Amino acid sequence: EDQVTQSPEALRLQEGESSSLNCSYTVSGLRGLFWYRQDPGKGPEFLFTLYSAGEEKEKERLKATLTKKESFLHITAPKPEDSATYLCAVQATGGFKTIFGAGTRLFVKA
Amino acid sequence: DAGVIQSPRHEVTEMGQEVTLRCKPISGHDYLFWYRQTMMRGLELLIYFNNNVPIDDSGMPEDRFSAKMPNASFSTLKIQPSEPRDSAVYFCASRLASTDTQYFGPGTRLTVL
Repeated sequence: EDQVTQSPEALRLQEGESSSLNCSYTVSGLRGLFWYRQDPGKGPEFLFTLYSAGEEKEKERLKATLTKKESFLHITAPKPEDSATYLCAVQATGGFKTIFGAGTRLFVKA
Repeated sequence: DAGVIQSPRHEVTEMGQEVTLRCKPISGHDYLFWYRQTMMRGLELLIYFNNNVPIDDSGMPEDRFSAKMPNASFSTLKIQPSEPRDSAVYFCASRLASTDTQYFGPGTRLTVL
């Protein structure tokens, strides 16, 4: 069964304190791994798609990496506005059904 | 573009009543997805459509749930009869077949008393 596990559940950082969020996955055949950001009361907002092990993508203070078993979302010198829930999701080959992890709630204190 | 539009944004109803949630996808998008988000189960895919045709409804929890897409610009998710355990935030999302980016609507917060 396809599964996504994210850790930690919650992460509290000081502004400027870099860290990483983890996403472990099991899928029959990976079509793509996705990272989304979700602010309270809003729908998830797309950040990145990764397709194969070794791939990396960056956007501002965020960098996503992918191995055959997990993905990391690295946050460099975070700011309070980076506070949100970060969701990881996978799609298996053969369809567009997306399986989401429970998310990591990130709090960045000024 | 206005993005994915959902209505109502909030719905409070009593157990046993029929509930209809509505979604207007981004113009030109080929795929439409309905999700449910709860604290206990996170974000779960209920059903998705391609060119108005349901492709995978394996996530629909029970026969009380039904979804339709009568045309490319409108979809409904209906719950009849509603139960307190249906209380959740329901999201609609759409995408183009040529990309992997799903665009989510703002969600409908459903409370069943």
